[in-house]
Amino acid sequence: GENVEQHPSTLSVQEGDSAVIKCTYSDSASNYFPWYKQELGKRPQLIIDIRSNVGEKKDQRIAVTLNKTAKHFSLHITETQPEDSAVYFCAAEGGGADGLTFGKGTHLIIQP
Amino acid sequence: EPEVTQTPSHQVTQMGQEVILRCVPISNHLYFYWYRQILGQKVEFLVSFYNNEISEKSEIFDDQFSVERPDGSNFTLKIRSTKLEDSAMYFCASSVLGTPTAEQYFGPGTRLTVT
Repeated sequence: GENVEQHPSTLSVQEGDSAVIKCTYSDSASNYFPWYKQELGKRPQLIIDIRSNVGEKKDQRIAVTLNKTAKHFSLHITETQPEDSAVYFCAAEGGGADGLTFGKGTHLIIQP
Repeated sequence: EPEVTQTPSHQVTQMGQEVILRCVPISNHLYFYWYRQILGQKVEFLVSFYNNEISEKSEIFDDQFSVERPDGSNFTLKIRSTKLEDSAMYFCASSVLGTPTAEQYFGPGTRLTVT
């Protein structure tokens, strides 16, 4: 089955700086890669996703890149703000499967 | 904006007891999912459900688990005989179409504590 590795586990950046979170996956048949943001005690919220027919997708300060050859994808947050502080999970859909396989999460801390 | 809802928000039960966790998916969604998250760990897929039957299940979803769509709005997860290691946050999710065509939206979760 699919295996997703996520790094780093904790990331601390100064407010206004950029943050990058990286994930790798194992199943070359996977073609859907969402990112979820989870604030303490709350539900995971979908913030951006990418499908394998594109290499990059951007939504305001958030962007995701995908390298299918290397089987890795990354989340980029620019101009970070205090409200970006949360745990971010990457996920992958194993080809033909319904269930998402999640990474272990990155605790993003925005320092004022 | 419509959201997935779940009840109860917190359930405490004794080991060996049966529990039923309830979810109301977004109304026009056709695919339903259960995930669990042990405290401090990643979200893990349990089961997906479409057209009144299980379409996929993980190794975690063993014989003590079952799912049901008892009516047109509810989607339930039953754990027949709870164990200490079942303590976790259980999330329901739904999507209008199957993955990867459509996004999955998560409910707020039910925290299950088994004592």
